[in-house]
Amino acid sequence: EVQLVESGGGLVQPGGSLRLSCAASGFTLSGNWMGWVRQAPGMGLEWVANIKQDGSVKYYVDSVKDRFTISRDNAKNSLYLQMNNLRAEDTAVYYCARWILDSSGLYYVGSWGQGTLVTVSS
Amino acid sequence: QTVVTQEPSFSVSPGGTVTLSCGLSSGSVSTNYHPSWYQQTPGQAPRTLIYNINTRSSGVPDRFSGSFLGNKAALTITGAQADDESDYYCVLYLGSGIWMFGGGTKLTVL
Repeated sequence: EVQLVESGGGLVQPGGSLRLSCAASGFTLSGNWMGWVRQAPGMGLEWVANIKQDGSVKYYVDSVKDRFTISRDNAKNSLYLQMNNLRAEDTAVYYCARWILDSSGLYYVGSWGQGTLVTVSS
Repeated sequence: QTVVTQEPSFSVSPGGTVTLSCGLSSGSVSTNYHPSWYQQTPGQAPRTLIYNINTRSSGVPDRFSGSFLGNKAALTITGAQADDESDYYCVLYLGSGIWMFGGGTKLTVL
């Protein structure tokens, strides 16, 4: 069974840092693009970042560029999100996402974690 | 900047049919945008519904189907049930590694 389990969320002051982790099981992490999706309280889903299978390519939504860094350790079956210079608007549930390439060459999120809450407040 | 558009809300009667759309503020949705659909109930993680236009994820009932309608991707629920009352999101690939979710459609079944 595929499982994604996030950890590392919590309360942090504006300007602070936090590192989220996602432990993957039930599949070979190195075979998939992985990413993070967040959801602010009462709001919709927002794609945050993706990372290629070998970690060589990373993409970010504009609002987190130069502040967040996505990384992975395939040997540890883990995905990470280092979040620096946090702002109140970064307050959200952060979901770990496994991107799958289907037989037609189209990508989609095939697996979701349960999410971890990050609250940025003084 | 391109925005992914969805109806903010929709209502359907039990047993009825409803079609939700996923469009672009500029241009037409095609397979190049890798459209897919997700369902989310309050307090829960999203659940993958439809990918590859009209392929249902494992365990998704066949009353859910995907298609293109005009210049948009579409999600149709045929024979809506009470537990279909959820938020529905589409996501599109905008190129250069960038993805964008639509704002979501809150579906009410009553």
